[in-house]
Amino acid sequence: SQQGEEDPQALSIQEGENATMNCSYKTSINNLQWYRQNSGRGLVHLILIRSNEREKHSGRLRVTLDTSKKSSSLLITASRAADTASYFCATAGGGFKTIFGAGTRLFVKA
Amino acid sequence: DGGITQSPKYLFRKEGQNVTLSCEQNLNHDAMYWYRQDPGQGLRLIYYSQIVNDFQKGDIAEGYSVSREKKESFPLTVTSAQKNPTAFYLCASSIDVSSMGAFFGQGTRLTVV
Repeated sequence: SQQGEEDPQALSIQEGENATMNCSYKTSINNLQWYRQNSGRGLVHLILIRSNEREKHSGRLRVTLDTSKKSSSLLITASRAADTASYFCATAGGGFKTIFGAGTRLFVKA
Repeated sequence: DGGITQSPKYLFRKEGQNVTLSCEQNLNHDAMYWYRQDPGQGLRLIYYSQIVNDFQKGDIAEGYSVSREKKESFPLTVTSAQKNPTAFYLCASSIDVSSMGAFFGQGTRLTVV
């Protein structure tokens, strides 16, 4: 079964609103990453948060990590139409094993 | 420009044929990976390579083969043994397997005709 599971599966918001996506995982991790994928394209790495970090910012992105609840959230503030994409979380545990969730499809309406 | 290049972008395969997907990187990365993505799904790991002349099976290696003769190149062959090969294939690389933040290619969409 997949390690990371994003919630919601799909999200539709108006431009300017904030978008929040959640990711839950099952086992211990060393780090968690968020990626963006535009339709039919490769993935673009957005941000990495290590297991000993609780929050990280990058521009309009804010990621939180709660290892006690085995969950992470990605917040995109002041969303733009160009943010329309699928967003994936990926978890990495001991050794090499990066596991991707099924993604959240975000649609930002202009 | 440094990056990772996949070719072709679209590929059509007849039943019973083997096809090879190309992946080249000029980032000087040691680790390379192949993932498969089905519609509305996440990525599943097919094979990965930590270093030249070494590669390991991922979660869904059956029906696929790879080689890593050069650091820059990690081609994936989809063999006739893969019964459901229609999918989007993504190649990625990273400095090494313990460093995250992989760089992805733009993908190859394979369709069986």
